[in-house]
Amino acid sequence: NAGVTQTPKFRILKIGQSMTLQCAQDMNHNYMYWYRQDPGMGLKLIYYSVGAGITDKGEVPNGYNVSRSTTEDFPLRLELAAPSQTSVYFCASSYGAGSQPQHFGDGTRLSIL
Amino acid sequence: AQTVTQSQPEMSVQEAETVTLSCTYDTSENNYYLFWYKQPPSRQMILVIRQEAYKQQNATENRFSVNFQKAAKSFSLKISDSQLGDTAMYFCAFMINNNDMRFGAGTRLTVKP
Repeated sequence: NAGVTQTPKFRILKIGQSMTLQCAQDMNHNYMYWYRQDPGMGLKLIYYSVGAGITDKGEVPNGYNVSRSTTEDFPLRLELAAPSQTSVYFCASSYGAGSQPQHFGDGTRLSIL
Repeated sequence: AQTVTQSQPEMSVQEAETVTLSCTYDTSENNYYLFWYKQPPSRQMILVIRQEAYKQQNATENRFSVNFQKAAKSFSLKISDSQLGDTAMYFCAFMINNNDMRFGAGTRLTVKP
């Protein structure tokens, strides 16, 4: 059981470049989430999705875009990378909302120089 | 404001002893869910325990238990019979509106042999 798979694991970008962080889950979960974790801090919610075709903003959505064309995939797009977006990005999924546990991927460490 | 405060940046405990990690939160919502997540050096986020705010009974999960004081907006985690494998960052979090998850800054716990 793969669970939640994130690619790549590490990436260095130059300021102004664009990239897409991939996230896939094989648990048939409807709910998916993107978080960022800055050094020494907890996670902050960027975007979430409650099902294919439905996405919504979290606490820190600026500078990011998402799409959810299938139940399995939830890519996160950075259009114009800025140094403030240097962080570790986590994708998560859950069967339902509320108290349902979220299953996390291993994270993507992104540095923007 | 929806915030989570973990006032202990670092803690240590001797193996086999008991330790309590503190967490307070602030929300105007009446329905929410509370969580403790563990993040070992591998960076993986692992759910430790969860609590529904409408339940008065404190949740327990093997060696882990919580002390939930809703009026005080307090949600502490007690780890009994600490093991070396418990060494990790511990994050307190709460979820409102079924999807909006807010995390604290974390407590780094070291279990000493």
